[in-house]
Amino acid sequence: AQRVTQPEKLLSVFKGAPVELKCNYSYSGSPELFWYVQYSRQRLQLLLRHISRESIKGFTADLNKGETSFHLKKPFAQEEDSAMYYCALRRYTDKLIFGTGTRLQVFP
Amino acid sequence: EAGVAQSPRYKIIEKRQSVAFWCNPISGHATLYWYQQILGQGPKLLIQFQNNGVVDDSQLPKDRFSAERLKGVDSTLKIQPAKLEDSAVYLCASSLVQGSSHEQYFGPGTRLTVT
Repeated sequence: AQRVTQPEKLLSVFKGAPVELKCNYSYSGSPELFWYVQYSRQRLQLLLRHISRESIKGFTADLNKGETSFHLKKPFAQEEDSAMYYCALRRYTDKLIFGTGTRLQVFP
Repeated sequence: EAGVAQSPRYKIIEKRQSVAFWCNPISGHATLYWYQQILGQGPKLLIQFQNNGVVDDSQLPKDRFSAERLKGVDSTLKIQPAKLEDSAVYLCASSLVQGSSHEQYFGPGTRLTVT
């Protein structure tokens, strides 16, 4: 069965510290993976997708098929990065399967 | 462009009552999704429409939930009768077309509390 696991409910760091939000998945086919973010009082929005191999707001994520992981990383956290982050896997029907989310708190 | 619109934003009802949510997707978006997000969990897809046809409703509790998108634009999601465990945020999303790399755009959600 398809599943997305985010083991940390909360991750707290200080400004300037590196950040890694963990995401592991189980999927029998070729996965398409995403990170979505929800800032306080804002809508859920796409942050990045693995096929784009892009860096958005300093965040990157590499798909590791061997470890079935898609961890989100940023070398230097900023206070404005504080938000709820969801890892998601897309199936062939466009259905997104979300993880339970990790709340990132960046302290000044 | 205007985003996905949802109403109402908040709703409190008693168990066994009925409730309906409305969603207006981004203009021109053929695909519409309804998600349920229970507190502490990620969104879970309830139903997906392509224009006015259902693509996936495998996780929709059909004994109490129903959804329609009659003209391929707006959509309504109904719960009748509601149970306590239906308390959640109901999110509507839309995308340009199904497949490819088209992004899903989410609405602000409707927070339902069943007492």
